[in-house]
Amino acid sequence: EVQLVESGGGLVQPGRSMKLSCAASGFTFSNYGMAWVRQAPTKGLEWVATISYDGSSTYYRDSVKGRFTISRDNAKSTLYLQMNSLRSEDTATYYCTRVPGSLYFDYWGQGVMVTVSS
Amino acid sequence: DTVLTQSPALAVSPGERVSISCRASEGVNSYMHWYQQKPGQQPKLLIYKASNLASGVPARFSGSGSGTDFTLTIDPVEADDTATYFCQQSWNDPNTFGAGTKLELK
Repeated sequence: EVQLVESGGGLVQPGRSMKLSCAASGFTFSNYGMAWVRQAPTKGLEWVATISYDGSSTYYRDSVKGRFTISRDNAKSTLYLQMNSLRSEDTATYYCTRVPGSLYFDYWGQGVMVTVSS
Repeated sequence: DTVLTQSPALAVSPGERVSISCRASEGVNSYMHWYQQKPGQQPKLLIYKASNLASGVPARFSGSGSGTDFTLTIDPVEADDTATYFCQQSWNDPNTFGAGTKLELK
């Protein structure tokens, strides 16, 4: 059974940093691209970043470029999202997702809440 | 960015057929995908690439369309289908989601 378990969320002040982790199991992690998708409270879904199966390629939405870094450790089957210079508009539930071909999201974690507030 | 337009809400009775539409502001080929999100839960993939049923999803769900107009159909609707349904396109960069259609059962 595919499982994606996020951790690392919480309350953080504007301008500070936070790192999210996603532990994957139930599939060969190193064979799949992975992504982060977020959802602001009572809002819709928004793609944040994607990383290729081997970590050689990364992609970001414009609003997080230069502030967020997606990475992975295939030996540990873990995905990461380093978030710097956080803004109030980054407040959301962040979902770890698996990306098969064609850039859709076939499995989702339960999500981790990030609140950016002073 | 490609804007995906969905009707905000629908109400149907159990046993009926419902069609949920998604219109793209520009062509997305067949790279349209559908997700179901129940309150307090993560989204779940239902349909990928317009018409392909995701693993474990009941055959009551189907998808159709290409280019700019897409439809998710549930037939027959069951009480457990109460949820918000999102479309997502991955043909144009960045990939984008619709605002969601909230399906309520009468």
